[in-house]
Amino acid sequence: GDSVTQMEGPVTLSEEAFLTINCTYTATGYPSLFWYVQYPGEGLQLLLKATKADDKGSNKGFEATYRKETTSFHLEKGSVQVSDSAVYFCALSPLNNAGGTSYGKLTFGQGTILTVHP
Amino acid sequence: KAGVTQTPRYLIKTRGQQVTLSCSPISGHRSVSWYQQTPGQGLQFLFEYFSETQRNKGNFPGRFSGRQFSNSRSEMNVSTLELGDSALYLCASSLAGNEAFFGQGTRLTVV
Repeated sequence: GDSVTQMEGPVTLSEEAFLTINCTYTATGYPSLFWYVQYPGEGLQLLLKATKADDKGSNKGFEATYRKETTSFHLEKGSVQVSDSAVYFCALSPLNNAGGTSYGKLTFGQGTILTVHP
Repeated sequence: KAGVTQTPRYLIKTRGQQVTLSCSPISGHRSVSWYQQTPGQGLQFLFEYFSETQRNKGNFPGRFSGRQFSNSRSEMNVSTLELGDSALYLCASSLAGNEAFFGQGTRLTVV
């Protein structure tokens, strides 16, 4: 079945440091890929997405590129802030029977806790 | 535009009891999905409802069930609660062909 593997955390960085959180996936065909962020006591918020190979999703300084050849979707940010401290989840949405994306059934990675210190 | 609303936010139940959680999706969204989040297992898909029909189901025992009403609001029910059912239960809604939006979750504690 489908699966998502994220790098083990937690990750602790100083403000303005470069961030990379690795994510690889196993799925049939070409799933859509997502990064979600969860702040303490909150639900998940969509950070960025990519729906086909070589797409780059970006938002709030975060970027991730859909790499079909390496089945990866690594999250990067050039300069993190204290406010970026949260849990980050990589996820995929499989194709449905009609060949479209089944957004209602997401498979998540284990999550990576990011802490940024001033 | 209101987001996904889950009630209650917190719940404490005793082993053996049953519980019902509620989710109101974003207006116009017909797909509602439920997820269980625990420290050990992470985020796991429970089921998805679309237009009052269960469209997808995860790998959970039959004690976990759900339903969706004609106004797209959804409920999930867990019967014969076990300690291991303690978790954050998240609901997400989506409009056909677009990404899922999550509620803040219901924190269930089983004692």
